[in-house]
Formats: sequence, structure tokens, C-alpha cells
Amino acid sequence: RKEVEQDPGPFNVPEGATVAFNCTYSNSASQSFFWYRQDCRKEPKLLMSVYSSGNEDGRFTAQLNRASQYISLLIRDSKLSDSATYLCVVNEGHGSSNTGKLIFGQGTTLQVKP
Amino acid sequence: DTEVTQTPKHLVMGMTNKKSLKCEQHMGHRAMYWYKQKAKKPPELMFVYSYEKLSINESVPSRFSPECPNSSLLNLHLHALQPEDSALYLCASSQTMTSLYEQFFGPGTRLTVL
Repeated sequence: RKEVEQDPGPFNVPEGATVAFNCTYSNSASQSFFWYRQDCRKEPKLLMSVYSSGNEDGRFTAQLNRASQYISLLIRDSKLSDSATYLCVVNEGHGSSNTGKLIFGQGTTLQVKP
Repeated sequence: DTEVTQTPKHLVMGMTNKKSLKCEQHMGHRAMYWYKQKAKKPPELMFVYSYEKLSINESVPSRFSPECPNSSLLNLHLHALQPEDSALYLCASSQTMTSLYEQFFGPGTRLTVL
């Protein structure tokens, strides 16, 4: 089983659609969770940190379910500019601390079409 | 300022050349990272420096040699590389290695080994 698993897609959606990405992680000791966005041939950029209580930033909502070791990202009212690869990222946990290593999912590709 | 800078943006080198990649951050972060990313794959961790000391080496071949001259700078010295080392090399930083905070990535150096 991969440490962080994502559906690679691609997800092809029309502008204005709502799309949801899911991610599961295997290390129950992980303590930090993130969604990064990566455009073609660019660096990953932090989209959102993910907290147990869930968090929202404009059209983006992230949820964490520690019991199920599951992370989600919801994008509402999709824009053309949302087209990118979305990386689910988990900080490797060890005991009560992080090791400093980020574990990346393979990424989910989103293509928003006019 | 959440900027990590990297130079050069592009580098083409022969297998007998020696070159260096440079990374700089002025966010006061005490952890810095080197990643390698191949096309359509997530970033792979190579090295982690914590408080200017090498903390993690992910069994990287010795033809890659990291250096951390001070808390703001990180170098990656390259020597006798192979064509399969061609990739995007990303530098990142975070507050500390074991913090719960996110890593910020630089724009990367796209390396081609002939």
C-alpha cells in the first residue's frame, strides 16, 4: 500500500462545476496535512493546510478525517485557472513529532474546460 | 516574504562537468531541503539540513554533494552526473525540520545532463 494514495485522474470538468479530490494516508502518526498545487513545469505551491476541524479558503474546502486517515479537497465554481495537478502531502510522523519528511501523493490532474 | 529563490533556472551540463545549484531564503527558516522531480512524478526528497547541519540523506549518490554555508543558503554541487539525473531540482524551506508548518518551494532548476 502506498503511503499517500490519490486518484491520478484526470478529472475533466466544465467551468463552474464542483469537484472533489480524495486522499488516504497510511501512517497514523502523521500530524500535518497539506494540499499543494503544481502547474506544468512549475514548483509545488501551498494551496491549503488541512486541519481536523476542516478549513475553507474562498472556493476551496479541505477536510481531514483522522479516524479514517482520509483527506479531501473540494473546489466549488471551478475556473479555467484551477487546471493543475493537486498534490496531497502528509508530514511523516514519528511518535509525537514530525520527521521533517513530506510524503507526496502521486497527484490528481484537474482540467477545467470552457 | 515567503520566497525561496534558486539559480540557475536552467542548466545543461556534460557528464564530466562540475556545476552547482544555489538556493536562498530570507524567511528565517532553519530547515532547508533538496528535492528531485521527474516528469509526471511527485518530488523525491534528497537531503534535509536542519540548523545548517545535514540531517537526512536519502541514500543519494555521492555525485550529488550538498552544502549549507549559512542559515539562508543551500547549495547542491554536481559532479560526473548521468543522463538519468536530468530532472527538476527543487529547493524548499520550513520553519524547522520537525515543525507542523508547511514547506515553501523555490521555482527549481531544470537540469539536463548530456
